[in-house]
Amino acid sequence: QSVLTQPPSVSEAPRQRVTISCSGSSSSIGTNAVNWYQQLPGKAPKLLIYYNDLLSSGVSDRFSGSKSGTSASLAISGLQSEDEADYYCAAWDDSLNALVFGGGTKLTVL
Amino acid sequence: QVHLQESGPGLVKPSETLSLTCTVSGDSISSYYWSWIRQPPGKGLEWIGYIHYSGSAKYNPSLKRRVTISVDTSKNQFSLKLSSVTTADTAVFYCARARSSSWAVFEYWGQGALVTVS
Repeated sequence: QSVLTQPPSVSEAPRQRVTISCSGSSSSIGTNAVNWYQQLPGKAPKLLIYYNDLLSSGVSDRFSGSKSGTSASLAISGLQSEDEADYYCAAWDDSLNALVFGGGTKLTVL
Repeated sequence: QVHLQESGPGLVKPSETLSLTCTVSGDSISSYYWSWIRQPPGKGLEWIGYIHYSGSAKYNPSLKRRVTISVDTSKNQFSLKLSSVTTADTAVFYCARARSSSWAVFEYWGQGALVTVS
């Protein structure tokens, strides 16, 4: 079981907006920045969002990140079929003294 | 353009040591922090540890007793050794380069190398 909790799956229709949550604790998200990665099928992860809400270079502005308290969210607007992928949040955990990832969320574009 | 490439045996026997090398091109390894991350088949990501070109390293406590990450600046490579492997260590292993501002933000990734313990 992951230290950062994500829903296993989400789905939404094309052109709609979806959010993926990432729930942590006071020692992880409550204190440290959250980063988000996209992993297309059979590919290496790709950095989307860093420091909670900064867009990585070259990433579409349809992606956005936010953080509040011990939770963070990734929002994707104007969904496209190419957005179908697994999405992971990550943050440092002061108690575990380790970088931890969420369990991942599989996005299906209906 | 920064490029990372993992290399090493794809099959390791239980109780032996897994060894992988990441070759960096398009950038000098004498900058930034360099990490290893693994992903068991069908599962999520796990951070293994990082190394700085100076040689300082930090490991995931869950793997610390079995992991060594080293750097060879003359070859622009860094390496991973994981000892006493079991079938639970079967995974795709990724090497990654962090952003200059934080070792924990993985900006560039290798394509990954599948290592099977059997």
